[in-house]
Amino acid sequence: RKEVEQDPGPFNVPEGATVAFNCTYSNSASQSFFWYRQDCRKEPKLLMSVYSSGNEDGRFTAQLNRASQYISLLIRDSKLSDSATYLCVVNESGATNKLIFGTGTLLAVQP
Amino acid sequence: EAQVTQNPRYLITVTGKKLTVTCSQNMNHEYMSWYRQDPGLGLRQIYYSMNVEVTDKGDVPEGYKVSRKEKRNFPLILESPSPNQTSLYFCASTRRGGNQPQHFGDGTRLSIL
Repeated sequence: RKEVEQDPGPFNVPEGATVAFNCTYSNSASQSFFWYRQDCRKEPKLLMSVYSSGNEDGRFTAQLNRASQYISLLIRDSKLSDSATYLCVVNESGATNKLIFGTGTLLAVQP
Repeated sequence: EAQVTQNPRYLITVTGKKLTVTCSQNMNHEYMSWYRQDPGLGLRQIYYSMNVEVTDKGDVPEGYKVSRKEKRNFPLILESPSPNQTSLYFCASTRRGGNQPQHFGDGTRLSIL
């Protein structure tokens, strides 16, 4: 079983749609959680951290369910510029900054 | 401007010819790491360093070496490259602490023929 699992997609959605990505992780001792965005052939960039109480940043909402070992990302009112691969990332140990990356979910927002 | 700089961005070379990919950060970060990214496998950590002169293996260290003689630099060395090391490589840095985001370089695309 992969340490961090995501649906690879692609998710093809029209502009303005709401889309949700899910991610599960296997290590119950994982410390912190992130969503990164990666454009084609570019470096990953932090989209948002994920907090236990859930958090929102504009059109983006992240949720964490520690009991189910499950992380989600909701994007409302999708824009063409949201087209990218979204990486679910888990830090298994606060001491080492070691990140485990999911393989990513590809989002294509259509006009 | 805060950044992580990798060089070269692209390299095509032949099996067995030693190469070094440089990585430099200007944010005084303690923690640096190297990843490779392959289709269907995501980013996998090769080596990491928690501070100067402190390095350790990640998940896929075979065929690679690193060094951390200065805080800002973390070169990746392929002593005898092989075709299975053809990949997209990223260097990243962060402050110590579990909730810190990692800053990535632009990536280096290596092709080993």
